[in-house]
Amino acid sequence: DVQLVESGGGLAQPGGSLRLSCAVSGFSVTSFEMNWVRQAPGKGLEWVAYIGSGGGKIFYSDSVKDRFTISRDIGNNSVNLQMNSLRADDSAVYYCARFPMVSDYMDVWGKGTTVTVSS
Amino acid sequence: SYVLTQPPSVSVAPGRTASIPCGGNNIGSKGVHWYQQKPGQAPVLVIFYDSDRPSGLPERFSGSNSGNTATLTISRVEAGDEADYYCQVWDSNSDHVVFGGGTKLTVL
Repeated sequence: DVQLVESGGGLAQPGGSLRLSCAVSGFSVTSFEMNWVRQAPGKGLEWVAYIGSGGGKIFYSDSVKDRFTISRDIGNNSVNLQMNSLRADDSAVYYCARFPMVSDYMDVWGKGTTVTVSS
Repeated sequence: SYVLTQPPSVSVAPGRTASIPCGGNNIGSKGVHWYQQKPGQAPVLVIFYDSDRPSGLPERFSGSNSGNTATLTISRVEAGDEADYYCQVWDSNSDHVVFGGGTKLTVL
C-alpha cells in the first residue's frame, strides 16, 4: 500500500528548530517528486517545499526560503524538512504529499504532523 | 507571483448542482487540480488536469477550465460533499505550487 506518515512535530520556541520526517512506503522516493504543504489553524493550504525525484531540483515558497531545507534519506525512504529560525506564523499542520510521475498534482497525502511555535 | 482566487463560501441545497470557481490570469493555459478537505482530515484529490477524475471518485464531480476561470462542478450534491475545496496549479514562472484560498461548500 502507498502510504506517507509524517512525524517530528511538536512545540518549538521562536527562533528554534524542528526536523520533520515523512516515512514513505509502497514506492521509492527516488522515483517520485515530493512536497511539503502546511495549513495554519483555520486557514487554507500553503505549499512549502518541493524536491525532485533525482534530489537535484529543490524549490521553496518565499515564506520559508533560507530557513527551511527539504531533503531525502534514500536509505530510510523518507523525505525530511529541517525548519530553522521558526516563527509563530510557522505554526501549522504539515503534510507530506506526492506528485505522481510527470505530473504536478498531489495524489497521495499523509495525515500530517502539528508544529506549534510559541514561547 | 501567480494568484488563484476562490470565493470563501458556496451554499447549495441537496440534490442541486454546486459550482466552485477558481480565478487566475489566463488559468485556461494551465492544468488545474482540485482537492476536497473535510474537518480534521488531509486533503483528497478530486479532479486533476482540469477535468480528470481519480479512479473511484463519483462521476458527480467534474471540472472545466477556460480563459481566466476554472470551475469544479458537483452534481446532485449530497450532505457528505460538505467540505473545503481548493484549486491548485503549478506556476512554471516561479517553480512554485500555488493553491487557491479555498471554498467552504455548505449543503443546506
